[in-house]
Amino acid sequence: AQSVAQPEDQVNVAEGNPLTVKCTYSVSGNPYLFWYVQYPNRGLQFLLKYITGDNLVKGSYGFEAEFNKSQTSFHLKKPSALVSDSALYFCAVRDTSNTDKLIFGTGTRLQVFP
Amino acid sequence: DGGITQSPKYLFRKEGQNVTLSCEQNLNHDAMYWYRQDPGQGLRLIYYSQIVNDFQKGDIAEGYSVSREKKESFPLTVTSAQKNPTAFYLCASSSRAEQFFGPGTRLTVL
Repeated sequence: AQSVAQPEDQVNVAEGNPLTVKCTYSVSGNPYLFWYVQYPNRGLQFLLKYITGDNLVKGSYGFEAEFNKSQTSFHLKKPSALVSDSALYFCAVRDTSNTDKLIFGTGTRLQVFP
Repeated sequence: DGGITQSPKYLFRKEGQNVTLSCEQNLNHDAMYWYRQDPGQGLRLIYYSQIVNDFQKGDIAEGYSVSREKKESFPLTVTSAQKNPTAFYLCASSSRAEQFFGPGTRLTVL
């Protein structure tokens, strides 16, 4: 079965430190991978995506993600965290059996402390 | 939140009532989706529509109904058959797999 796992419910990091939010996936075929961010009581906002090409993808607000095919991972990273980065982050992969659907992880809450 | 609007932002329902959540998009997308979000469970797909006058059940369709009479609109009705409807509901539309989300409707059953 196709799936996405975000193994950490919450990640805590001090402002100015690098951050990583983990995501692993299981799909057949080549994955289309996405990261979204959600602020309280808001919809999801697109951060970045990997479809093909360079394994390091750069996105909005200084975030980037590294696609690792051998480890089936797509971890979200940022070199220097801001307090305003505190939010809920979702990883998603396109369902290869129905390419109009996305499969979402359960989300990771990022808390950046001043 | 792009070109997708959802209304109302907050909705209160008495037990036994049907309520309809509105979702409109001006992105000219063919595909539209409804998700339910509960704490700690991520997003669960309720219904989706790939084209006007056609829609498919998602993972948790029981107690919900939809229509897709216009490309721009995909309303969701939460019926009295849905036993635990209190949740945050998100509408989305997509182009080439990337999904764009509305701001959400928070439904509370009194």
